[in-house]
Amino acid sequence: QKEVEQNSGPLSVPEGAIASLNCTYSDRGSQSFFWYRQYSGKSPELIMSIYSNGDKEDGRFTAQLNKASQYVSLLIRDSQPSDSATYLCAVKDNDMRFGAGTRLTVKP
Amino acid sequence: ETGVTQTPRHLVMGMTNKKSLKCEQHLGHNAMYWYKQSAKKPLELMFVYSLEERVENNSVPSRFSPECPNSSHLFLHLHTLQPEDSALYLCASSQDSAGGIYNEQFFGPGTRLTVL
Repeated sequence: QKEVEQNSGPLSVPEGAIASLNCTYSDRGSQSFFWYRQYSGKSPELIMSIYSNGDKEDGRFTAQLNKASQYVSLLIRDSQPSDSATYLCAVKDNDMRFGAGTRLTVKP
Repeated sequence: ETGVTQTPRHLVMGMTNKKSLKCEQHLGHNAMYWYKQSAKKPLELMFVYSLEERVENNSVPSRFSPECPNSSHLFLHLHTLQPEDSALYLCASSQDSAGGIYNEQFFGPGTRLTVL
């Protein structure tokens, strides 16, 4: 069974801090990795995609991929209360598989 | 309209009813997807259409029947559902084909389905 694992949280960080969200996956053949943000009662919104080992930065967000360790993470710098949401990790080989999500709360 | 739209946004139906969910993408994408999202569970991929051809059916019960008449529209026909089918049903689309690596998927707002 191919799996995508995330800590369900909740993860609580103070405003201005760095939030670190982690995801592990079981299928070594996975080639594409995505982070989605889902606000309560809303649909998932794509915020980052990463395809090769290393870091990818986009504004306050940095995605990190380590295929050898089967690990992908999302760092959110200068966290804001508006970042409070559930973050979904998605991994694709032939199919797209989602983790159950980590709920992040940023406290003012 | 922009992005991916879904109708209706909310649906309450009895177990003997027949209803359909509609999805439309205005992005010129080549693949469309149906997902089910239940509370506390990961998103479950139900069906995949790539270039209007169904390429995936993840062991979904036959009471769910997809239809993709063209590359912009996707339907999910529902009949004789069970209460455990109550969930958020999400449609997504991607520019890349379903088997492609760069398969960034964009979601519609979803249909909240309640089966009584």
